[in-house]
Amino acid sequence: GQNIDQPTEMTATEGAIVQINCTYQTSGFNGLFWYQQHAGEAPTFLSYNVLDGLEEKGRFSSFLSRSKGYSYLLLKELQMKDSASYLCAVRDRDYQLIWGAGTKLIIKP
Amino acid sequence: ETGVTQTPRHLVMGMTNKKSLKCEQHLGHNAMYWYKQSAKKPLELMFVYNFKEQTENNSVPSRFSPECPNSSHLFLHLHTLQPEDSALYLCASSQEYKMNYGYTFGSGTRLTVV
Repeated sequence: GQNIDQPTEMTATEGAIVQINCTYQTSGFNGLFWYQQHAGEAPTFLSYNVLDGLEEKGRFSSFLSRSKGYSYLLLKELQMKDSASYLCAVRDRDYQLIWGAGTKLIIKP
Repeated sequence: ETGVTQTPRHLVMGMTNKKSLKCEQHLGHNAMYWYKQSAKKPLELMFVYNFKEQTENNSVPSRFSPECPNSSHLFLHLHTLQPEDSALYLCASSQEYKMNYGYTFGSGTRLTVV
């Protein structure tokens, strides 16, 4: 079966750095997405990786290793507004999106 | 404003009621999706419409009935639901189905079945 694993919950301190990991086992690979979802709001697109390496976008970066079936989302200079759930999703060989259960990130002052 | 609007935001219904969820997008997208989001579970794809035609029905019980009158509007008709159907129902759209485009989500309808 196809599977996406990410931690259920993480806690970090304002101003610090946090890394949210995602491992996947899917039938083929056509890209990996990270979405942010604040409580009661729509998931919003953060990043997309299809080639190995690091993609940087401001305070957020996303890394992909296809050979290891592994990605991480790196958040720097954490702000209270970064408290949210972070969803990892992989597009398989049939372009179906396989979703992880999400990581709830709690930022403490 | 996300570009995908869902109404109502919250809905409480009895098991014998009939209600409908509405989704509207003004992004010019051709694919629209219904997802169910339950606490601590992955998003579950329910239905997909591509160019107004239903292309996916992921073994969803018949008490959920989708309707797509045009590529901008999507409905989910609900009848005789069960308490385990209580969840956040998300609508999403993308430029096309099974192509490499990201999704734009609505804020969801929080459904409680009593």
